Order: sequence, then C-alpha cells, then structure tokens
Amino acid sequence: DVKVTQSSRYLVKRTGEKVFLECVQDMDHENMFWYRQDPGLGLRLIYFSYDVKMKEKGDIPEGYSVSREKKERFSLILESASTNQTSMYLCASTAAGGHNQPQHFGDGTRLSIL
Amino acid sequence: GQSLEQPSEVTAVEGAIVQINCTYQTSGFYGLSWYQQHDGGAPTFLSYNALDGLEETGRFSSFLSRSDSYGYLLLQELQMKDSASYFCAVRGNTGFQKLVFGTGTRLLVSP
Repeated sequence: DVKVTQSSRYLVKRTGEKVFLECVQDMDHENMFWYRQDPGLGLRLIYFSYDVKMKEKGDIPEGYSVSREKKERFSLILESASTNQTSMYLCASTAAGGHNQPQHFGDGTRLSIL
Repeated sequence: GQSLEQPSEVTAVEGAIVQINCTYQTSGFYGLSWYQQHDGGAPTFLSYNALDGLEETGRFSSFLSRSDSYGYLLLQELQMKDSASYFCAVRGNTGFQKLVFGTGTRLLVSP
C-alpha cells in the first residue's frame, strides 16, 4: 500500500527560526509536492519536484525552499519562519506518466509559529 | 491563471443524494479530479474525469462537461461517514501531474 510519511504531526517554532519539514514516500514516485492548507483557501502548491535535485516553484513559494537529495525524500524549508506561515502543511507524491496519476498525501504537519 | 469554484458547505441527511458542483477556469485542461478529506486526515483520491460524461464508482459518481468548464461529484445513499470536505482539482496544461485545487466543500451528513 502507498505510504507518505511526514516527520511531525504537530510542530511549534519561533519567529525567525529555520524550520525543516520532512516527507518520505515508499512508492518510488518521481513527483513530490508540498502544499499548505488554510481555512477557506483550499490546498495551495508551494513547491514540487519531478526528480532528484529538480524543483519547480508552485503558486506560493515566497519564504520557502525545498530540497530533494534522494528520490524518496522531499524537504520543505522555512528559511526564517514568520507568523503568517502558521498553517497545515501537506506533502504528496505521484508517479510520472499518464494523465491520471492520483496524488497520495501524508497526514500533514500542523505548524505553529509563535 | 487557473481558478476553481465550489460551494463552501452542503448539508444533507443520511440516505439522501447530494451533488457538489465545481466550475473551473484554466489555461489548459487535462482532467478534473475529486479528493475527500476527513477532519484531521489526509486528502484521498476519489475520482478522475478526462472526458465528458459520468464516471461511477460505487456510491460516488463524477461528471464532467468540458464545454461548460463544469463538473460535479454525486454522492448517493449518504452515510454519516461521508461527512468530510471534498475538493475538486484540475490538471492544466503544465506537466508533472501538477494540480490546482478548489477551496473545498464541507459536507455535513445528519441522522
């Protein structure tokens, strides 16, 4: 069965800290995604990666960066956390090829920036 | 750009049928997907329509009209466990299986 694992369910950090959110998938998927989910705004794409060391900006990349050193792991980095980055962060992965490859999501990390 | 509109909330009773609509504006189109998310849980894939018409999967069906830029998710024989948020999502003309999600419809099923 497909498994996407996010390292933390809940995380509390302080303004200005560098924050790392980790995501691991065990399906050998090429594509991985980071979203943030806020009430009334749905899921918004921050960054995605279609291969190791490859990354593309999503719709709201400002204040974030990513790292994909290994195929199974995709990290989201908040360079200097701010209170407006308090949110639910969701990682997803999908296989390459075809038009209908469902995205498989992790359980999310609820991040609070104080 | 791309945008999707869906109702923010829908209520229904057990055993009823409910339809959740989604209209979209995209610069390209490969297909419309639906995802379900229970409170505190991960979104899970429900269905995908690339062509016009109805796709049926058990109690859930999804419809697409490309000419109208419109689709809907139909849930039949509603059960309490169907209470969740439902998101439509569009694949535009970009690659890499990238999706744009709607803002979600919260379905409340009452006894």
